[in-house]
Amino acid sequence: QPVLTQPPSASGTPGQRVTISCSGSSSNIEVNAVSWYQQVPGTAPKLLIHSNDQRPSGVPDRFSGSKSGTSASLAISGLQSEDEADYYCAAWDDSVDGSVFGTGTKVAVL
Amino acid sequence: QVHLQESGPGLVRPSETLSLTCTVSGASISAYFWTWVRQPPGKGLEWIGYIHYNSGTTNYNPSLKSRVTISADTSENQSSLRLRSVTAADTAVYYCAKVVHRGFNSGWSIYFDFWGQGSLVTVSS
Repeated sequence: QPVLTQPPSASGTPGQRVTISCSGSSSNIEVNAVSWYQQVPGTAPKLLIHSNDQRPSGVPDRFSGSKSGTSASLAISGLQSEDEADYYCAAWDDSVDGSVFGTGTKVAVL
Repeated sequence: QVHLQESGPGLVRPSETLSLTCTVSGASISAYFWTWVRQPPGKGLEWIGYIHYNSGTTNYNPSLKSRVTISADTSENQSSLRLRSVTAADTAVYYCAKVVHRGFNSGWSIYFDFWGQGSLVTVSS
């Protein structure tokens, strides 16, 4: 089962910019769009970014997404305490004909 | 606003069948794709499968395909998940979510825009 690889953790001080990477392959990220989800512990995931770089209504513009080749990134600028959460990338994978999630990154605000 | 609510037993015995229902309000179950995702305690998200009622399409995670069935009931506006022959490894919070499924450049943009609050299912004797 393919999986998208993320760093286990990332951190920054309030106001800093934090970037989270998501590494995939030619069967998922390279050919299909990436989405990102924020999960505060004890709550359901929330859609942050879809179609590589599109923010749903209500998501602050501090969150931005990008994609290049087989990798994608989520950037959080102007880090705030409420951004402490787990972040997951996801994409459709053509080889398994299903969705795959990233391994998840825990963001800490120091 | 779309609202999803999972319901079902919180405890299932090993080797039995896990059954959960997702009741949807604010959207027609027949008009969209619907998915199930699970999260074992302290671990990451795992996609289980999805259904599109109108086309009769279902897709399942290959690792679970032999044990899982996802269905939809348009009269109740619900999606259901059945996972057979469960073990302790199936202990998780189970989420249902609405799916956006569309072509994107030469591939697909498939993402989950509304989620239920989740239902913890423990497999134990």
